Amino acid sequence: GIQVEQSPPDLILQEGANSTLRCNFSDSVNNLQWFHQNPWGQLINLFYIPSGTKQNGRLSATTVATERYSLLYISSSQSTDSGVYFCAVTQGGSEKLVFGKGTKLTVNP
Amino acid sequence: DAEITQSPRHKITETGRQVTLACHQTWNHNNMFWYRQDLGHGLRLIHYSYGVQDTNKGEVSDGYSVSRSNTEDLPLTLESAASSQTSVYFCASSYYRDRGLYEQYFGPGTRLTVT
Repeated sequence: GIQVEQSPPDLILQEGANSTLRCNFSDSVNNLQWFHQNPWGQLINLFYIPSGTKQNGRLSATTVATERYSLLYISSSQSTDSGVYFCAVTQGGSEKLVFGKGTKLTVNP
Repeated sequence: DAEITQSPRHKITETGRQVTLACHQTWNHNNMFWYRQDLGHGLRLIHYSYGVQDTNKGEVSDGYSVSRSNTEDLPLTLESAASSQTSVYFCASSYYRDRGLYEQYFGPGTRLTVT
């Protein structure tokens, strides 16, 4: 099956710093979602982004499906950004999400 | 507001007992999913359903079953709980976006401990 790899696995930042999280996938996909799992365990939808670029406040994401990767940008990071960021993909006609193992982000004051 | 809920939020049970985790959504979504989350494995699909009376096995379905008698609910049953099933369980449903693609939304999770 498809492999979804996220990097880096861990990231520590000071408040105000910028960061880029990467998601690579081993085969063609038809959909990609980014999630933030906050310290209380809740999974929050960030982006539905099968292709192209989207922005939402300090966060933006770009998916280049032909090159099999997606990037999540976090600018001016805040402590509330801490948690684990997951990307997940679907293939073909399936709606089954395949998740990467996540990037754990810690933002220190 | 429409939402997806799970109950209980925390459960401790003994090995060999039958356990049922509830998932309820008020969005009227046809598609519902159960995942488990474990350290080192991320989230993995257990079972899924594309509508009433439809159920399908996912990647890690052994020891689990689901039934879909209405649109709103997809209960997950552990027939005989094992310590390996200690995990956090997430239910999800998917919303149609465009071009035949769907976006999944997740419930708050159930933390299950099997002793």
